[in-house]
Amino acid sequence: SYVLTQPPSVSVAPGKTARITCGGNNIGSKSVHWYQQKPGQAPVLVIYYDSDRPSGIPERFSGSNSGNTATLTISRVEAGDEADYYCQVWDSSSDHPVVFGGGTKLTVL
Amino acid sequence: EVQLVESGGGLVQPGGSLRLSCAASGFTFSSYWMHWVRQAPGKGLVWVSRINSDGSSTSYADSVKGRFTISRDNAKNTLYLQMNSLRAEDTAVYYCARDVRAAAGIRWFDPWGQGTLVTVSS
Repeated sequence: SYVLTQPPSVSVAPGKTARITCGGNNIGSKSVHWYQQKPGQAPVLVIYYDSDRPSGIPERFSGSNSGNTATLTISRVEAGDEADYYCQVWDSSSDHPVVFGGGTKLTVL
Repeated sequence: EVQLVESGGGLVQPGGSLRLSCAASGFTFSSYWMHWVRQAPGKGLVWVSRINSDGSSTSYADSVKGRFTISRDNAKNTLYLQMNSLRAEDTAVYYCARDVRAAAGIRWFDPWGQGTLVTVSS
């Protein structure tokens, strides 16, 4: 089955840029989606189709996907961005096509 | 406003049963696939099950196959998860989520419900 690998944690100072990676075999050929989950809350979609933002998501959130790595980039990080972030793909070749990464805890220093 | 509201969680003994519900509003429920995703305490997201728009096709994670049953009532705009033979490792927050399909092989989840906690313990 397809595996997505995320770093367990990323730390960044306020106002700086955070980059959270999601690795997978030839992930650039798939469409990657990202979710933000704050403590005690449900996940919220922040990026879909590699780089599109749902309405209401700040422009500071962006995404890219190429080769074996997809990246969620958060510019001008704010304290309120501290959360867990999960990447997700749909692996059509599998009987169980929904694949989540293990999640990355973003800490704002 | 598109909204999903889960209910039915609680404390149950190992081997017991529980039925979760997910009430949908703000969109044409019968047009969308739906999913259940769970999250054990302190752990990541794990997909559990999905059902197509008319309920004729379902799929399950290997860990719950044969024990859990997903269903829906489109007249009541409600998704269900019947959980039998519950184990300690089923302890988790269970989320329902709407499937969004952009093209073949491109699907994501939006929105998610607030979740309902299932605790399996004696």
